Amino acid sequence: KAGVTQTPRYLIKTRGQQVTLSCSPISGHRSVSWYQQTPGQGLQFLFEYFSETQRNKGNFPGRFSGRQFSNSRSEMNVSTLELGDSALYLCASSSPAGVDTGELFFGEGSRLTVL
Amino acid sequence: AQRVTQPEKLLSVFKGAPVELKCNYSYSGSPELFWYVQYSRQRLQLLLRHISRESIKGFTADLNKGETSFHLKKPFAQEEDSAMYYCARGGTDKLIFGTGTRLQVFP
Repeated sequence: KAGVTQTPRYLIKTRGQQVTLSCSPISGHRSVSWYQQTPGQGLQFLFEYFSETQRNKGNFPGRFSGRQFSNSRSEMNVSTLELGDSALYLCASSSPAGVDTGELFFGEGSRLTVL
Repeated sequence: AQRVTQPEKLLSVFKGAPVELKCNYSYSGSPELFWYVQYSRQRLQLLLRHISRESIKGFTADLNKGETSFHLKKPFAQEEDSAMYYCARGGTDKLIFGTGTRLQVFP
């Protein structure tokens, strides 16, 4: 089985721009979660989607948004980028019960640098 | 706020020494606790979960509800254990992670 695939792996943007990150989950997984990873804050939960519906949302401003498609692929968007948005954005997929069982399968991440 | 706290950012030990990575949580319900590990240049992956009461790669973790802790332990550290370790709490349809502890095992 192919693992969770995230694109792009690296990107550089400037303040004020917007960015879209993509995540393809493991085949058969319908839940996709997004996390922001930074050295000081660790992993912070952004949101989780299941069957095209956002089930949970973390404490991030409205500039952070996401969506999930019928094939379970997910995208997240960050508008009006700020320097503090520089981070590794991780996507994780799980089976329907996986979020509760704690078994998330992570991608390699998309490293965003905002200049 | 319902938090997961890992008080140590860095833990350095010599090979063969015991290791204990601390994790404390706050949660009003019945917690589900997990440890995730990220080795150098690898993906974050599940190491173990409290409900399984298993030992993985020599690591164990016991849930102590009285102390609201879920410390990760290994009696004899190996160099290959060097990695970033994250404690996580579930039970609310999302996993909340701590800030992580970097374990360095010196030869």
